[in-house]
Amino acid sequence: DGGITQSPKYLFRKEGQNVTLSCEQNLNHDAMYWYRQDPGQGLRLIYYSQIVNDFQKGDIAEGYSVSREKKESFPLTVTSAQKNPTAFYLCASSPQALEDTQYFGPGTRLTVL
Amino acid sequence: AQSVTQPDIHITVSEGASLELRCNYSYGATPYLFWYVQSPGQGLQLLLKYFSGDTLVQGIKGFEAEFKRSQSSFNLRKPSVHWSDAAEYFCAVGSQDNAGNMLTFGGGTRLMVKP
Repeated sequence: DGGITQSPKYLFRKEGQNVTLSCEQNLNHDAMYWYRQDPGQGLRLIYYSQIVNDFQKGDIAEGYSVSREKKESFPLTVTSAQKNPTAFYLCASSPQALEDTQYFGPGTRLTVL
Repeated sequence: AQSVTQPDIHITVSEGASLELRCNYSYGATPYLFWYVQSPGQGLQLLLKYFSGDTLVQGIKGFEAEFKRSQSSFNLRKPSVHWSDAAEYFCAVGSQDNAGNMLTFGGGTRLMVKP
C-alpha cells in the first residue's frame, strides 16, 4: 500500500537529549514537510524539502534539524536547543505543483520528561 | 504574508443538523484553498480543495465549500451532520516562494456532535 509512515507513534525522552523522528513515503512524491501541532494552535511548518539534498526552514525551525538524502525519507531531529519540544509532529508529502494535495502521516507524539 | 483565521474554536451541533465552519484567509494572489479533517491522535485527511473554476467545491463525506473572493472566505458546509463527523477541521491556504510550495493552516475548529 502506498502511503506515509511515521515511527514511533509515541516517544519519550529526557530533557537535554536529541531525538530523531522518522518519516518515510512510498508515493514517489518530490516534496516533504514537517509540522508541529500544539493544542489550539493548528499546524506550524518546521522544515520542508522540494528535492533530495535540499531543504528550507519553515516558520519555527529553531531547535530542529533535518536531512533529505533519499527521496523517500525525511527524518527530523529535535535537538536539546528546542525549548519546548513536547508536541505532536506530523510529516507530509506532495507532488510538485502548488495545487497538489499534501498527504499526511499518522504523526508522532513526543513527550520530553 | 498569508494567514488563515478560523473564528470558531469549538462548535457543537445536533446529529442531523446542518453545519457551517468558517474560514477567512489573507493572501495577495489567487489562493489555493484546502480543508482537512483530523480525528484524535491521527494525521490529516483532505476533504476538498479549490484552486480555480467553479467556486462551489464538492468533497468527500458529503462536504462542500464555497470560495468567495469578495469576502476572502472559504466556508465548509454539510447539510446533515453524522456522529462520525466529530473531529477537528483545518482550513489552509497554499502559497509558493522560490524554495517551493507550502501550506499555512488556521488554528482549527473542533466539532462535537450531540446525539
